[in-house]
Amino acid sequence: DAKTTQPNSMESNEEEPVHLPCNHSTISGTDYIHWYRQLPSQGPEYVIHGLTSNVNNRMASLAIAEDRKSSTLILHRATLRDAAVYYCILRPLEYGNKLVFGAGTILRVKS
Amino acid sequence: DTGVSQDPRHKITKRGQNVTFRCDPISEHNRLYWYRQTLGQGPEFLTYFQNEAQLEKSRLLSDRFSAERPKGSFSTLEIQRTEQGDSAMYLCASSLVLESDRVREDTQYFGPGTRLTVL
Repeated sequence: DAKTTQPNSMESNEEEPVHLPCNHSTISGTDYIHWYRQLPSQGPEYVIHGLTSNVNNRMASLAIAEDRKSSTLILHRATLRDAAVYYCILRPLEYGNKLVFGAGTILRVKS
Repeated sequence: DTGVSQDPRHKITKRGQNVTFRCDPISEHNRLYWYRQTLGQGPEFLTYFQNEAQLEKSRLLSDRFSAERPKGSFSTLEIQRTEQGDSAMYLCASSLVLESDRVREDTQYFGPGTRLTVL
């Protein structure tokens, strides 16, 4: 399974943008980049995913480097409810396979 | 949409006892996954079902663990002769995967988990 590297923790101020980095230097051409997050005492939830182009949805944006060896999850205005563990996951093109989680990045949001 | 539900939410048991957890996926979802999460770690895959067929099992799933999805709807995960190392959060997730490209939906939706403590 392809490996990702994320910082252990990050801190942000409320209502400021947050950039969560992920390195995946061994990514293959058919691996999608997925982000899930896990709020305290809850199961993980899907945030966003992409292959090559940058992606936006109502929760976040995903910026993917041109060589695809790194990506950044962008929360445009962090709120206290965004405090969670954020996981960057590589998934092969084939749909329906398991998720392989690393330790993720603990995001703390200060008011 | 009721989401994925798991029962019980918490289970405390003594070493050597058997425990069974239940997961009810989102109703139209054909895939169901079990993961285990220990403190400070990300979830680890245990097994998954496509309808009632169990298609993959992790080597983490020792022969004390068994999972079923008898009618392709709810699933159960049983742990026999529990050990203290089995203490963890057990997470269930479901997704809809179709053969055709008409629906490209593969997001996994997770339940709240069952926290197992083995004394």
